[in-house]
Amino acid sequence: AQSVSQHNHHVILSEAASLELGCNYSYGGTVNLFWYVQYPGQHLQLLLKYFSGDPLVKGIKGFEAEFIKSKFSFNLRKPSVQWSDTAEYFCAVRRSTDSWGKLQFGAGTQVVVTP
Amino acid sequence: GAVVSQHPSRVICKSGTSVKIECRSLDFQATTMFWYRQFPKQSLMLMATSNEGSKATYEQGVEKDKFLINHASLTLSTLTVTSAHPEDSSFYICSASPTSGGADTQYFGPGTRLTVL
Repeated sequence: AQSVSQHNHHVILSEAASLELGCNYSYGGTVNLFWYVQYPGQHLQLLLKYFSGDPLVKGIKGFEAEFIKSKFSFNLRKPSVQWSDTAEYFCAVRRSTDSWGKLQFGAGTQVVVTP
Repeated sequence: GAVVSQHPSRVICKSGTSVKIECRSLDFQATTMFWYRQFPKQSLMLMATSNEGSKATYEQGVEKDKFLINHASLTLSTLTVTSAHPEDSSFYICSASPTSGGADTQYFGPGTRLTVL
């Protein structure tokens, strides 16, 4: 069974629209949460991460994500997207029982922003 | 920023041959490197964790004799796919954690596309 679920495989939206990508995980214990982005032809890059503290995490390029423990969710948001946000977005989870660096990835969401 | 390279970026080989993929951290030292495999439209699956100077730790279901990992220096890890078969065709991605930066930080390479004929 998929341990990390990303709800949408493909999202198409216009510039200035708001973006929200869903991510749910199925572990019951403590987790560390990540969002990575892969721009066309480039490496995976870290957008933001949550380890503890304020559940609303701000990342690079205007992205933020909110950890809702009761819903096992870590959704990514951006209020107003740009054409340059066209990329594939991956949610990843590290269980506290796993060794450092062992990440479980979601299947990814391809986001296309049209001018 | 931290850069991780992989070589080759693409490789095509015949069934039964072995292929070596290199992962290098170009501007930092990495005690730990990770090898992932990605199938089309699926998530990255961790294959193994490679620690400099010690044996790699393989994930459940990954054949260690088929996917040989060597991490002989703080900037280089290699993955050798031995006796490759068409089902080994995939996209292989490595990542590296800086020795000084904490293992929760990973920098990813661009990936290697392996096609086995």
